[in-house]
Amino acid sequence: KNEVEQSPQNLTAQEGEFITINCSYSVGISALHWLQQHPGGGIVSLFMLSSGKKKHGRLIATINIQEKHSSLHITASHPRDSAVYICAAEGGSQGNLIFGKGTKLSVKP
Amino acid sequence: NAGVTQTPKFQVLKTGQSMTLQCAQDMNHEYMSWYRQDPGMGLRLIHYSVGAGITDQGEVPNGYNVSRSTTEDFPLRLLSAAPSQTSVYFCASSYGAGAKNIQYFGAGTRLSVL
Repeated sequence: KNEVEQSPQNLTAQEGEFITINCSYSVGISALHWLQQHPGGGIVSLFMLSSGKKKHGRLIATINIQEKHSSLHITASHPRDSAVYICAAEGGSQGNLIFGKGTKLSVKP
Repeated sequence: NAGVTQTPKFQVLKTGQSMTLQCAQDMNHEYMSWYRQDPGMGLRLIHYSVGAGITDQGEVPNGYNVSRSTTEDFPLRLLSAAPSQTSVYFCASSYGAGAKNIQYFGAGTRLSVL
């Protein structure tokens, strides 16, 4: 069993829809990261959170430490949100990350 | 600021050849790491460094060497390339573990080993 599991693997949505991507982890963590990988391959960090909720624009990330679960929500989705979204669990004293396999999101106009 | 710079962007090697993937950052980050990304798998840690002169192995270190002589540079060496090393390689850096561990990634190097 992978230590970090994401669902769904693929997601197709219509423009304007509310989107949820889920991440479950089985390891103890100090933080949970959400990243976005653009179609061109570049990777950018969206959120790093260890409790509660964070919001940036139309993106919201939540984490439930007791249930070892995090969600990434996108409100009013847009075709430019099409990308692969990756969650990663940070554990250990060095801060190394364990990555999920990613969720490929396609938003149709 | 340039951020994290990786070179080259693309490389084709023959089996048995050696090469070095370059990674440099200008943010004075202590933590640097190398990952490989393969289809259907998450990013996997090859080697990492928590500061100049300090390196350690990650999940998939075999066939790769690293060194960290300066804070800015963290090259990854393939000693004798094998087809199994065909992958996309990413370098990343951050201030370090904990609250400052936002990761900054390079643009990636797409490597094919024939």
